[in-house]
Amino acid sequence: DTGVSQDPRHKITKRGQNVTFRCDPISEHNRLYWYRQTLGQGPEFLTYFQNEAQLEKSRLLSDRFSAERPKGSFSTLEIQRTEQGDSAMYLCASSSRGQGDDGELFFGEGSRLTVL
Amino acid sequence: AQSVTQLDSQVPVFEEAPVELRCNYSSSVSVYLFWYVQYPNQGLQLLLKYLSGSTLVESINGFEAEFNKSQTSFHLRKPSVHISDTAEYFCAVSLNFGNEKLTFGTGTRLTIIP
Repeated sequence: DTGVSQDPRHKITKRGQNVTFRCDPISEHNRLYWYRQTLGQGPEFLTYFQNEAQLEKSRLLSDRFSAERPKGSFSTLEIQRTEQGDSAMYLCASSSRGQGDDGELFFGEGSRLTVL
Repeated sequence: AQSVTQLDSQVPVFEEAPVELRCNYSSSVSVYLFWYVQYPNQGLQLLLKYLSGSTLVESINGFEAEFNKSQTSFHLRKPSVHISDTAEYFCAVSLNFGNEKLTFGTGTRLTIIP
């Protein structure tokens, strides 16, 4: 397994457009997390899934954001009507919580969004 | 709510010199503490963690961190740095065993000067 992969790595879009990011976690991991990182800041928690269930959403996740993990494997994060303030690196991480592991988070390299 | 403060945004250090990256946290309950490292063009990687037990924890590449409950600190240290240690280091806390909802600091960029 090559780790957590994210696609696309870079996305440039115009304000008002919709964008979608995909995350493929490590195959045996049951938990998947999304974080957002803006310039000069540490990553901020957005939401996480256990299998296909979305267990928690941060207040940072406005109504324009939606995340899914339909089959408990890959996940998508969609941003509708993008705004310049959405420009950030979107990080995905996975872990094997409750599966005999201590739940270490494994991060992907991120998807960088630039909204013009 | 918990928070993490990394006061030093950038730390330049000569090769083979010691380094300390500072991390202080704020929480009304017990926390679990982590240091993550991000090498250039790579994703975040767990460097070391404190969950319970010995307050001094070590990584495989010579870093160590000590949990100090009275000072609410979890400073990262290495006695002799190498060029390969150039990276950004993030301190993080969690309220739950298993790394859910990590709260990260703003990061410290460590630059090693040859």
